[in-house]
Amino acid sequence: DSGVTQTPKHLITATGQRVTLRCSPRSGDLSVYWYQQSLDQGLQFLIQYYNGEERAKGNILERFSAQQFPDLHSELNLSSLELGDSALYFCASSWAGARDMDQYFGPGTRLLVL
Amino acid sequence: AQKVTQAQTEISVVEKEDVTLDCVYETRDTTYYLFWYKQPPSGELVFLIRRNSFDEQNEISGRYSWNFQKSTSSFNFTITASQVVDSAVYFCALSEVNTGTASKLTFGTGTRLQVTL
Repeated sequence: DSGVTQTPKHLITATGQRVTLRCSPRSGDLSVYWYQQSLDQGLQFLIQYYNGEERAKGNILERFSAQQFPDLHSELNLSSLELGDSALYFCASSWAGARDMDQYFGPGTRLLVL
Repeated sequence: AQKVTQAQTEISVVEKEDVTLDCVYETRDTTYYLFWYKQPPSGELVFLIRRNSFDEQNEISGRYSWNFQKSTSSFNFTITASQVVDSAVYFCALSEVNTGTASKLTFGTGTRLQVTL
């Protein structure tokens, strides 16, 4: 158990819909990362937050957005869903201290868009 | 841009055999971090090891060992006396250092290891 929690574990929805994925980082971790794992794209970085502020952006679509709240949990919002958005979405956290570069991953949310 | 190459898509071994998973990386950064993660059939990503670019010491942890060679930009992972429970997809990843703190991971495409009896 990495200490990172993600809800829900599975999500089935229809095209055009909007969903919210939630992540709680390990206790004490200030940084949260979102990754997408799909068969065709592999594991791709989406976005990083550090202590409530956006730190880095990767290949995140404009239809997707995220935020990190004062209690450090994070949410990833996916809207106008398409079939190609079906994937495993991971959240990871790290302390982001000078010597702590280790990212610990949650169990993932498996999204299926029908 | 950073890139991680895992040329072995799938490896199949018999239990107790040794197996090495290859990882080659590209980066322009002088300071970076390399990682290995394991993804068992259940789907979670399990952190195995981090290696700093300024530390080329090899590491051994039980049946696992890692060989980091900056000269060839490689960070290979060896499992000694493999077991069925080692069956998983293994990912190598590279992280840049952003203002001294952790940053995004760039993953390879993974190597699927199948260990049979």
